[in-house]
Amino acid sequence: AQSVTQPDIHITVSEGASLELRCNYSYGATPYLFWYVQSPGQGLQLLLKYFSGDTLVQGIKGFEAEFKRSQSSFNLRKPSVHWSDAAEYFCAVGARDTGNQFYFGTGTSLTVIP
Amino acid sequence: DADVTQTPRNRITKTGKRIMLECSQTKGHDRMYWYRQDPGLGLRLIYYSFDVKDINKGEISDGYSVSRQAQAKFSLSLESAIPNQTALYFCATSDPMGEQYFGPGTRLTVT
Repeated sequence: AQSVTQPDIHITVSEGASLELRCNYSYGATPYLFWYVQSPGQGLQLLLKYFSGDTLVQGIKGFEAEFKRSQSSFNLRKPSVHWSDAAEYFCAVGARDTGNQFYFGTGTSLTVIP
Repeated sequence: DADVTQTPRNRITKTGKRIMLECSQTKGHDRMYWYRQDPGLGLRLIYYSFDVKDINKGEISDGYSVSRQAQAKFSLSLESAIPNQTALYFCATSDPMGEQYFGPGTRLTVT
């Protein structure tokens, strides 16, 4: 069965520090992979996506993620965090063989301290 | 205008009441989805529809029903609301490549 694990429920970083949010998935074939961000009281905004090709993908707001098939991971990174990055981040896997159903991780809440 | 809209945005209702959440999209996508979000649980799929005549149950469909009135409209109903259905509900559409586009959400409180 498909599943997504975000091991870190909550992360706190200082403004200007680097950030890495972990995501591991379980899926039998090559999945579609996504990262979404949700600011308080808001909907979900797509940060970046991986379908195929280059395993390092660039997204909006300076985020990037790397697909590592051997580790079943799709970790999100940002070299220098801004206070406005404080939000909840969700990793999702899209299952190609079941009508593009999405499976979401439980989310990582990011706090940015000055 | 937003590509995926949801009405209402907020709703408070009483236990046992019937309630409908509506979703409309202007993206021309065939595939539409309903999710609920609960703290610490992420988003879970309630129902999804590949086209007007194809509706499927998701992970947590019990207590919910849906109607796909047209390609652009997908409604979620709670026939008899209960307090543990208090949640944030999202509608989404999917393009042929699999990317999903989300509405702004409906915050439902059942008292």
